[in-house]
Amino acid sequence: EAGVAQSPRYKIIEKRQSVAFWCNPISGHATLYWYQQILGQGPKLLIQFQNNGVVDDSQLPKDRFSAERLKGVDSTLKIQPAKLEDSAVYLCASSLLGYNEQFFGPGTRLTVL
Amino acid sequence: KNQVEQSPQSLIILEGKNCTLQCNYTVSPFSNLRWYKQDTGRGPVSLTIMTFSENTKSNGRYTATLDADTKQSSLHITASQLSDSASYICVVSDPSNTGKLIFGQGTTLQVKP
Repeated sequence: EAGVAQSPRYKIIEKRQSVAFWCNPISGHATLYWYQQILGQGPKLLIQFQNNGVVDDSQLPKDRFSAERLKGVDSTLKIQPAKLEDSAVYLCASSLLGYNEQFFGPGTRLTVL
Repeated sequence: KNQVEQSPQSLIILEGKNCTLQCNYTVSPFSNLRWYKQDTGRGPVSLTIMTFSENTKSNGRYTATLDADTKQSSLHITASQLSDSASYICVVSDPSNTGKLIFGQGTTLQVKP
């Protein structure tokens, strides 16, 4: 069984630029999560999707972050414009349903200069 | 406030030695607790899951304990190997039962030869 796929693995941009991350969850998993993990900290939930609907986006900085999961499968997370404090690893995870075990992708390491 | 605290923040041990990582939580009502292992540059991978009624659970050289009365958990690693070098994250399910997880900040373990 293929795991959660994410791309790119690494991204370096300058502040005020835009960036987008892509995630393909495990086949059949209805729930998809995006997390932000700052160095030395645990992951922080940005947004949770159930199929193509948003369950929780309370911690998503909506002035600069957006995410979509139009067909209920893969998802993109966008930052526009990026700030220095956005430097982090962005993890995508999926689960069969919301209360099942979450499986994490390898993450995208973003560096904002 | 529902929180998960881990100690120590970092730990260095020699190959072959044992170590114990600690996790205290204030989440209520309690559902389950997981220990995740996160290798550098990778996403977290679940090692064990423990529910309210379980006291001990093993996964190879990893043994997790849970004391639901004192709201404490520990992860014991026996006969450490170089490949055990990673961050270990304690995670408790949010009482909302939406799939949301409450993460500790992690313990970084370095095993030296």
